[in-house]
Amino acid sequence: DAGVIQSPRHEVTEMGQEVTLRCKPISGHDYLFWYRQTMMRGLELLIYFNNNVPIDDSGMPEDRFSAKMPNASFSTLKIQPSEPRDSAVYFCASSRSTGRSYEQYFGPGTRLTVT
Amino acid sequence: SQQGEEDPQALSIQEGENATMNCSYKTSINNLQWYRQNSGRGLVHLILIRSNEREKHSGRLRVTLDTSKKSSSLLITASRAADTASYFCATDAGSSYKLIFGSGTRLLVRP
Repeated sequence: DAGVIQSPRHEVTEMGQEVTLRCKPISGHDYLFWYRQTMMRGLELLIYFNNNVPIDDSGMPEDRFSAKMPNASFSTLKIQPSEPRDSAVYFCASSRSTGRSYEQYFGPGTRLTVT
Repeated sequence: SQQGEEDPQALSIQEGENATMNCSYKTSINNLQWYRQNSGRGLVHLILIRSNEREKHSGRLRVTLDTSKKSSSLLITASRAADTASYFCATDAGSSYKLIFGSGTRLLVRP
């Protein structure tokens, strides 16, 4: 299995631009999570999906952030417009509900820099 | 806000020594997990301990859980340079699938 795939791995953009981060979860996993990691705030859960349905988006910082999961193998996190304070590493993770393992598998992350 | 807080924030030991990291949390949990993050990489799951368990082992890892004190510890025995990484505890928050991560302990194992 290829693991969780994220793209791009690095993104540099100017303030005000739209940014789209992409994630392909592990096949067969029915939970998908988006996290943001910064030195100041640590690892924060932004939103998570179960069976493509958003379950909890309470961690989404503001309306500039949106996430979608159109099917079981693809999710996007969009920031529009981007701001310098959005600079962080964004991780996608997936998990499966069977077996009570609750283990999450993380992708390699997307390092976002907003100038 | 973070549910779990690790202690110490940083730890430097010699190869072969044991490393102990602690995690404290605030609210009741179903499970507690430990993850490792190598520099520039995603997190990797190490071990899960359920609220009705007190101790669990996996290879060189030993995890304890004290629900009365709302604390957990991760012990890495006979450390290796390859164990150099950040270690995070994660507690569930309302749902066993929703994890709240602590601030992490940066472990440096000197060869």
